[in-house]
Amino acid sequence: QQQVKQSPQSLIVQKGGISIINCAYENTAFDYFPWYQQFPGKGPALLIAIRPDVSEKKEGRFTISFNKSAKQFSLHIMDSQPGDSATYFCAASKADKLIFGTGTRLQVFP
Amino acid sequence: DVKVTQSSRYLVKRTGEKVFLECVQDMDHENMFWYRQDPGLGLRLIYFSYDVKMKEKGDIPEGYSVSREKKERFSLILESASTNQTSMYLCASSLAGTRSLFFGSGTQLSVL
Repeated sequence: QQQVKQSPQSLIVQKGGISIINCAYENTAFDYFPWYQQFPGKGPALLIAIRPDVSEKKEGRFTISFNKSAKQFSLHIMDSQPGDSATYFCAASKADKLIFGTGTRLQVFP
Repeated sequence: DVKVTQSSRYLVKRTGEKVFLECVQDMDHENMFWYRQDPGLGLRLIYFSYDVKMKEKGDIPEGYSVSREKKERFSLILESASTNQTSMYLCASSLAGTRSLFFGSGTQLSVL
């Protein structure tokens, strides 16, 4: 049973474009929603995170949009760069245990 | 910087072997986790530990066990490796009460 559903599985974006990755969750007890970025040969690293008391969080070119009523959240990467090419995982948690989505492989072409 | 070190980057084992995957973190984190990563399935939690000698089952514990004898070290044990345990194994740690996981670079295990 997949508690966090992530789409799309892969995404190709041109340099300068906007990358959008979506996630949906089922458990309304989740109270922390991070995004992790993973480069080939490396472990995932925390990129940005949000709590459900706010609808948006922005850090540089990365923005999380959160819709509590729809139980959905998304990552927006503005002005996408080739260096953003990586696999992105959304996650949700209650307490210290994270449940991850299935991942999105993003490729940004020059 | 937090460093989570996994003992092997690549490992090849035979079916039925007992396999130990070692993980060490250097930032005095209370929480440690073992995930496996498979294409299309994301990261799935195998076991986790909130303290020394303490362990909790994650979502897919079957076929695995863990050991945490020291705070900094968390070992994953495959009692009798099978081909369906071929995967990338990721260790992570975090401070108690925080949600930020720090991952190691992973061990790619192949069971033949």
